[in-house]
Amino acid sequence: SAVISQKPSRDICQRGTSLTIQCQVDSQVTMMFWYRQQPGQSLTLIATANQGSEATYESGFVIDKFPISRPNLTFSTLTVSNMSPEDSSIYLCSYPRNSQYTDTQYFGPGTRLTVL
Amino acid sequence: DQQVKQNSPSLSVQEGRISILNCDYTNSMFDYFLWYKKYPAEGPTFLISISSIKDKNEDGRFTVFLNKSAKHLSLHIVPSQPGDSAVYFCAATSGTYKYIFGTGTRLKVLA
Repeated sequence: SAVISQKPSRDICQRGTSLTIQCQVDSQVTMMFWYRQQPGQSLTLIATANQGSEATYESGFVIDKFPISRPNLTFSTLTVSNMSPEDSSIYLCSYPRNSQYTDTQYFGPGTRLTVL
Repeated sequence: DQQVKQNSPSLSVQEGRISILNCDYTNSMFDYFLWYKKYPAEGPTFLISISSIKDKNEDGRFTVFLNKSAKHLSLHIVPSQPGDSAVYFCAATSGTYKYIFGTGTRLKVLA
Protein backbone atom coordinates (compact mmCIF):
# COMPACT_ATOMS: atom_id res chain seq x y z
CA SER A 1 0.00 0.00 0.00
CA ALA A 2 1.04 3.60 -0.46
CA VAL A 3 2.74 5.77 2.10
CA ILE A 4 1.53 9.33 2.14
CA SER A 5 2.38 11.76 4.92
CA GLN A 6 1.34 15.27 5.85
CA LYS A 7 2.91 17.98 7.96
CA PRO A 8 1.86 19.40 10.29
CA SER A 9 -0.64 16.94 11.71
CA ARG A 10 -2.42 19.76 13.48
CA ASP A 11 -2.03 23.46 14.17
CA ILE A 12 -3.78 26.31 15.90
CA CYS A 13 -3.42 29.62 14.11
CA GLN A 14 -4.49 33.20 14.55
CA ARG A 15 -6.85 34.80 12.08
CA GLY A 16 -5.16 36.72 9.31
CA THR A 17 -2.12 34.46 9.20
CA SER A 18 -1.24 31.76 6.66
CA LEU A 19 -0.32 28.11 7.03
CA THR A 20 1.43 25.85 4.54
CA ILE A 21 0.62 22.15 4.64
CA GLN A 22 3.03 19.66 3.14
CA CYS A 23 2.16 16.36 1.50
CA GLN A 24 4.80 13.75 0.72
CA VAL A 25 4.22 10.46 -1.12
CA ASP A 26 6.58 7.54 -1.39
CA SER A 27 6.39 7.14 -5.15
CA GLN A 28 6.15 9.39 -8.16
CA VAL A 29 2.59 10.29 -9.05
CA THR A 30 1.19 12.51 -11.76
CA MET A 31 -1.89 13.77 -10.00
CA MET A 32 -2.39 14.85 -6.41
CA PHE A 33 -5.54 16.20 -4.86
CA TRP A 34 -6.31 18.44 -1.92
CA TYR A 35 -9.53 18.03 0.04
CA ARG A 36 -11.11 19.89 2.92
CA GLN A 37 -13.42 18.48 5.56
CA GLN A 38 -15.17 21.14 7.57
CA PRO A 39 -16.67 20.10 10.93
CA GLY A 40 -19.66 17.82 10.38
CA GLN A 41 -19.32 18.08 6.64
CA SER A 42 -18.19 15.82 3.83
CA LEU A 43 -14.79 15.82 2.19
CA THR A 44 -14.76 18.46 -0.54
CA LEU A 45 -12.21 18.63 -3.34
CA ILE A 46 -10.29 21.90 -3.33
CA ALA A 47 -8.00 21.41 -6.30
CA THR A 48 -6.00 19.03 -8.45
CA ALA A 49 -2.24 19.56 -8.42
CA ASN A 50 -0.30 18.38 -11.47
CA GLN A 51 3.45 18.60 -11.65
CA GLY A 52 4.61 21.18 -14.15
CA SER A 53 1.33 23.02 -14.50
CA GLU A 54 -1.00 25.26 -12.55
CA ALA A 55 -3.36 23.62 -10.12
CA THR A 56 -6.97 23.24 -11.21
CA TYR A 57 -9.40 24.62 -8.64
CA GLU A 58 -12.96 23.51 -7.98
CA SER A 59 -15.86 25.89 -7.84
CA GLY A 60 -15.73 27.96 -4.68
CA PHE A 61 -11.97 27.73 -4.24
CA VAL A 62 -9.49 30.26 -5.59
CA ILE A 63 -5.74 30.35 -5.98
CA ASP A 64 -5.30 33.51 -3.92
CA LYS A 65 -6.84 31.80 -0.91
CA PHE A 66 -5.40 28.31 -1.44
CA PRO A 67 -2.15 28.55 -3.42
CA ILE A 68 -0.72 25.14 -4.29
CA SER A 69 2.78 24.14 -5.27
CA ARG A 70 3.84 20.92 -6.97
CA PRO A 71 7.61 21.12 -7.37
CA ASN A 72 8.10 17.42 -8.17
CA LEU A 73 6.25 14.13 -8.55
CA THR A 74 6.37 13.18 -4.86
CA PHE A 75 5.56 16.43 -3.09
CA SER A 76 2.91 19.15 -2.91
CA THR A 77 2.00 22.00 -0.60
CA LEU A 78 -1.28 23.74 0.10
CA THR A 79 -1.28 27.16 1.73
CA VAL A 80 -4.34 28.46 3.54
CA SER A 81 -3.97 32.23 3.29
CA ASN A 82 -5.36 35.04 5.42
CA MET A 83 -7.14 32.55 7.62
CA SER A 84 -10.46 33.07 9.34
CA PRO A 85 -12.28 30.77 11.78
CA GLU A 86 -14.31 29.41 8.83
CA ASP A 87 -11.10 27.82 7.55
CA SER A 88 -10.99 25.53 10.57
CA SER A 89 -11.08 22.12 8.93
CA ILE A 90 -9.18 18.94 8.27
CA TYR A 91 -7.13 19.26 5.08
CA LEU A 92 -6.19 16.06 3.27
CA CYS A 93 -4.07 15.26 0.26
CA SER A 94 -4.58 12.20 -1.90
CA TYR A 95 -3.46 10.56 -5.09
CA PRO A 96 -4.96 7.89 -7.35
CA ARG A 97 -3.55 4.40 -7.27
CA ASN A 98 -3.33 4.30 -11.06
CA SER A 99 -4.50 6.17 -14.10
CA GLN A 100 -8.05 4.83 -13.98
CA TYR A 101 -10.56 7.05 -12.21
CA THR A 102 -12.36 3.91 -11.14
CA ASP A 103 -9.44 2.94 -8.99
CA THR A 104 -9.06 4.09 -5.46
CA GLN A 105 -7.32 7.17 -4.11
CA TYR A 106 -4.87 6.99 -1.25
CA PHE A 107 -5.36 9.65 1.39
CA GLY A 108 -2.93 11.23 3.77
CA PRO A 109 -3.68 11.33 7.51
CA GLY A 110 -4.89 14.92 7.32
CA THR A 111 -3.94 18.22 8.91
CA ARG A 112 -6.35 19.47 11.54
CA LEU A 113 -6.40 23.27 11.45
CA THR A 114 -8.03 25.44 14.07
CA VAL A 115 -8.21 29.17 13.46
CA LEU A 116 -8.88 31.41 16.45
CA ASP B 1 -27.11 20.97 -3.01
CA GLN B 2 -25.64 17.82 -1.55
CA GLN B 3 -25.45 15.19 -4.26
CA VAL B 4 -24.46 12.35 -1.94
CA LYS B 5 -26.24 11.95 1.37
CA GLN B 6 -25.73 9.70 4.34
CA ASN B 7 -28.74 10.40 6.48
CA SER B 8 -27.66 8.39 9.51
CA PRO B 9 -24.83 10.13 11.35
CA SER B 10 -24.32 7.15 13.64
CA LEU B 11 -25.12 3.47 14.01
CA SER B 12 -24.55 0.98 16.81
CA VAL B 13 -24.52 -2.77 16.20
CA GLN B 14 -23.76 -5.79 18.33
CA GLU B 15 -20.66 -7.78 17.48
CA GLY B 16 -21.47 -10.64 15.12
CA ARG B 17 -24.60 -8.98 13.73
CA ILE B 18 -25.03 -7.27 10.39
CA SER B 19 -24.21 -3.58 9.93
CA ILE B 20 -26.05 -1.79 7.14
CA LEU B 21 -24.90 1.66 6.13
CA ASN B 22 -26.94 3.62 3.63
CA CYS B 23 -26.19 6.27 1.06
CA ASP B 24 -28.45 8.16 -1.34
CA TYR B 25 -27.45 10.20 -4.35
CA THR B 26 -29.20 12.59 -6.69
CA ASN B 27 -26.98 12.75 -9.77
CA SER B 28 -27.94 10.09 -12.31
CA MET B 29 -24.64 10.67 -14.12
CA PHE B 30 -22.65 9.02 -11.34
CA ASP B 31 -21.19 5.81 -12.72
CA TYR B 32 -18.90 4.64 -9.94
CA PHE B 33 -19.37 4.44 -6.22
CA LEU B 34 -16.93 3.79 -3.40
CA TRP B 35 -16.94 3.26 0.33
CA TYR B 36 -14.13 4.51 2.53
CA LYS B 37 -13.45 3.83 6.19
CA LYS B 38 -11.81 6.37 8.45
CA TYR B 39 -10.28 5.89 11.87
CA PRO B 40 -9.50 8.89 14.11
CA ALA B 41 -6.34 10.78 13.16
CA GLU B 42 -5.99 8.76 9.97
CA GLY B 43 -6.94 9.42 6.38
CA PRO B 44 -9.81 7.56 4.74
CA THR B 45 -8.91 4.12 3.42
CA PHE B 46 -10.62 2.43 0.52
CA LEU B 47 -12.99 -0.39 1.40
CA ILE B 48 -15.03 -1.47 -1.60
CA SER B 49 -16.48 -0.05 -4.81
CA ILE B 50 -19.11 -0.75 -7.42
CA SER B 51 -19.69 0.24 -11.00
CA SER B 52 -23.09 1.45 -12.10
CA ILE B 53 -23.38 -1.52 -14.43
CA LYS B 54 -23.54 -3.85 -11.43
CA ASP B 55 -25.97 -4.13 -8.58
CA LYS B 56 -23.77 -5.99 -6.12
CA ASN B 57 -20.13 -6.37 -5.27
CA GLU B 58 -18.76 -8.55 -2.53
CA ASP B 59 -15.39 -8.66 -0.81
CA GLY B 60 -15.16 -10.90 2.19
CA ARG B 61 -17.36 -9.56 4.96
CA PHE B 62 -18.24 -6.46 2.94
CA THR B 63 -20.94 -6.25 0.28
CA VAL B 64 -22.11 -3.15 -1.51
CA PHE B 65 -25.54 -3.07 -3.13
CA LEU B 66 -26.58 -0.52 -5.74
CA ASN B 67 -30.17 0.30 -6.62
CA LYS B 68 -29.99 2.71 -9.55
CA SER B 69 -33.71 3.26 -9.85
CA ALA B 70 -33.83 4.39 -6.23
CA LYS B 71 -30.44 6.11 -6.44
CA HIS B 72 -29.44 4.26 -3.33
CA LEU B 73 -26.48 2.20 -2.26
CA SER B 74 -25.79 0.33 0.92
CA LEU B 75 -22.83 -1.31 2.58
CA HIS B 76 -23.38 -4.55 4.48
CA ILE B 77 -20.82 -5.80 6.96
CA VAL B 78 -21.36 -9.38 8.10
CA PRO B 79 -20.40 -10.31 10.74
CA SER B 80 -19.57 -7.01 12.36
CA GLN B 81 -16.44 -6.87 14.48
CA PRO B 82 -15.26 -4.30 17.05
CA GLY B 83 -12.42 -3.34 14.70
CA ASP B 84 -15.03 -2.18 12.20
CA SER B 85 -15.86 0.74 14.47
CA ALA B 86 -15.01 3.80 12.38
CA VAL B 87 -16.58 6.50 10.25
CA TYR B 88 -17.74 5.26 6.84
CA PHE B 89 -17.98 7.56 3.86
CA CYS B 90 -19.66 6.80 0.58
CA ALA B 91 -18.41 8.58 -2.50
CA ALA B 92 -19.52 8.85 -6.10
CA THR B 93 -17.99 9.98 -9.34
CA SER B 94 -19.01 10.44 -12.96
CA GLY B 95 -16.00 9.61 -15.06
CA THR B 96 -13.47 11.78 -13.26
CA TYR B 97 -11.19 11.76 -10.27
CA LYS B 98 -13.48 14.21 -8.55
CA TYR B 99 -15.16 12.21 -5.82
CA ILE B 100 -18.32 13.56 -4.21
CA PHE B 101 -18.44 12.38 -0.63
CA GLY B 102 -21.25 11.95 1.83
CA THR B 103 -20.98 13.31 5.36
CA GLY B 104 -20.19 9.93 6.88
CA THR B 105 -21.79 7.47 9.28
CA ARG B 106 -20.08 6.64 12.54
CA LEU B 107 -20.36 2.90 13.17
CA LYS B 108 -19.88 1.53 16.64
CA VAL B 109 -19.70 -2.24 17.01
CA LEU B 110 -20.40 -3.27 20.57
CA ALA B 111 -18.54 -6.26 22.01
